[in-house]
This record gives sequence, structure tokens and C-alpha cells, in this order.
Amino acid sequence: QQQVKQSPQSLIVQKGGISIINCAYENTAFDYFPWYQQFPGKGPALLIAIRPDVSEKKEGRFTISFNKSAKQFSLHIMDSQPGDSATYFCAARAGGTSYGKLTFGQGTILTVHP
Amino acid sequence: EAGVAQSPRYKIIEKRQSVAFWCNPISGHATLYWYQQILGQGPKLLIQFQNNGVVDDSQLPKDRFSAERLKGVDSTLKIQPAKLEDSAVYLCASRAGGGARDTQYFGPGTRLTVL
Repeated sequence: QQQVKQSPQSLIVQKGGISIINCAYENTAFDYFPWYQQFPGKGPALLIAIRPDVSEKKEGRFTISFNKSAKQFSLHIMDSQPGDSATYFCAARAGGTSYGKLTFGQGTILTVHP
Repeated sequence: EAGVAQSPRYKIIEKRQSVAFWCNPISGHATLYWYQQILGQGPKLLIQFQNNGVVDDSQLPKDRFSAERLKGVDSTLKIQPAKLEDSAVYLCASRAGGGARDTQYFGPGTRLTVL
């Protein structure tokens, strides 16, 4: 019940296209859903995050869509650029006394071709 | 502000040897995490400290892994003895607190190769 399932494992898009990565969860106690971006040789860095009381959050070219009833959320990257090529992880946090413990998805390797 | 610092960045050891990793979190961050990231997978939490106390070590292989956080600041993670399956990147992260300070900040990681 603690799993977060992420798809696809890899994604190739052309420059200017839309990249979409999907995640699904089971634990209804999750109350915070961040997306992390990781470049080779670097640690993950927070990209954007959402709480379940809203259905969408947009920051620049990055948008999270959240469907609480379906227990799914997705990351949309508009106008994808070669510099967006990285591994993306969705994650989820259980509230309460978890002190911010995150459960991560398996990751999606995004390649944006120029 | 300075980020999360980790050392060493790379380590190669033989199986059954011991190894230690060091982490210096962002100043003032009360919560510190150690994750294991196996190639092609997402980070998996090993242990979580709140100040200098352990709040979650349910996924730490305690027969070979140990960790401590001295004075609620720096932390070390030790593996003794190492196995081949311990080859991974070990990530340290820190977090200031709840609410608007939810963000976990990750260090660059230590890549461990066990031969």
C-alpha cells in the first residue's frame, strides 16, 4: 500500500513537444506529492509539488494534474527542451508523524531530441 | 545557502570490507534522511533522523548497516561487511520542517561499487 507506481520507464520526445509522466498510488494517507528531477551524477532536486486539495498546479512549463478519486497524478512538460533530458521521479508523503518520509516511484528517463 | 554535502563521491571496495559515508545537511535542518538508490530505481529510504534521534529505520538492514547523527548535525552511514548487492548510490537529504518547509534537499550522493 506504500507503493507509488510510475510510467513510462522511458520517454523520447522531440523538442517543443509535450512530455507526460504518470503516477498512481494506493495509500489514501498520502498528503503531499512532489516531482523530482535528477541529472546524471547529481542528487534529485524538487521540481514541483502538489497537495490533494487542488487538481492542478502550474509552474512555468511544468504542470501537475491530480485526480484524487482515481489516486493518480501526472507531470506535463510543455514545450520540452533538450535541457529537460533527465530522470524524473514522482513521490508521495504520508502525513502525520512521518517527518516527511517520501515514497518514490521507479523513475522515468526523459530524452528530448533537438 | 550551502547545499547538502556528502563525501566521498565515489568508493570502490571488495565484498566483506567496510565503508563509511558522511553527510553534512543544510544548516538548521532538523530532519536528515539516508536513501539507497540502485541503478534504474527510485531512492529507497534507509533511515530517518529527527535532530539526533532515529524516527524510522524500518528498511535499514541492521545486521550490516548502521548510522548515527552526532549532535543533531552531521551524519555517518556505515556498511560492515559489504555485499555485492550494496552497490548503489547513497543519497543524503535534509528538510527544515513541516508545512511550507516540506522540501527535501538532496546531496550529490556517494556512488559505491562493491567488487
